[in-house]
Amino acid sequence: NAGVTQTPKFQVLKTGQSMTLQCAQDMNHNSMYWYRQDPGMGLRLIYYSASEGTTDKGEVPNGYNVSRLNKREFSLRLESAAPSQTSVYFCASSEVFATNEKLFFGSGTQLSVL
Amino acid sequence: GQQLNQSPQSMFIQEGEDVSMNCTSSSIFNTWLWYKQDPGEGPVLLIALYKAGELTSNGRLTAQFGITRKDSFLNISASIPSDVGIYFCAGQRSGANSKLTFGKGITLSVRP
Repeated sequence: NAGVTQTPKFQVLKTGQSMTLQCAQDMNHNSMYWYRQDPGMGLRLIYYSASEGTTDKGEVPNGYNVSRLNKREFSLRLESAAPSQTSVYFCASSEVFATNEKLFFGSGTQLSVL
Repeated sequence: GQQLNQSPQSMFIQEGEDVSMNCTSSSIFNTWLWYKQDPGEGPVLLIALYKAGELTSNGRLTAQFGITRKDSFLNISASIPSDVGIYFCAGQRSGANSKLTFGKGITLSVRP
């Protein structure tokens, strides 16, 4: 019953450090997404992968890169972390792209950049 | 860009009370969704609405797709402590590549 699994759960970085957030889903979903959540801002789409082998920018892609490693895994990379990237990051998946009502979310990664 | 407006940012109610939330936009949406986020977890879909005027229930929750297609409402009846969390509305426009737009969320607190 894993669904969408994100690692790590918490992370503290110094400005300029890099890191990769990992996400894996075991539901055989085709589409995967990365969102960030900031207080009072709702959920904003960073990048998405409509299907294995494709990735596209969302609403707030600057400072991030993604890799759809295979059908199960979709990672988010911060090459040079900035304090503005302090946020809670959510990975999500859906069986078919743009059927957003069927989005399944992971439990989030809380990232602090000092 | 598209924006969904949810206010107030926080609501405080007494256990047993009913509460209503609305979500408005200047744009037309073809699908309205309501999600709930428990503390420390990701959002979970509560109700999906697909047609203007549609009224759908899920237990103590009832949501409506506004007739103008620019708003939606969520009602929670007889609140209980586990109703605590953040309630997000989300809308999706038509089109093959249309992605969800989320509101900023309303944090609901329920006093026992």
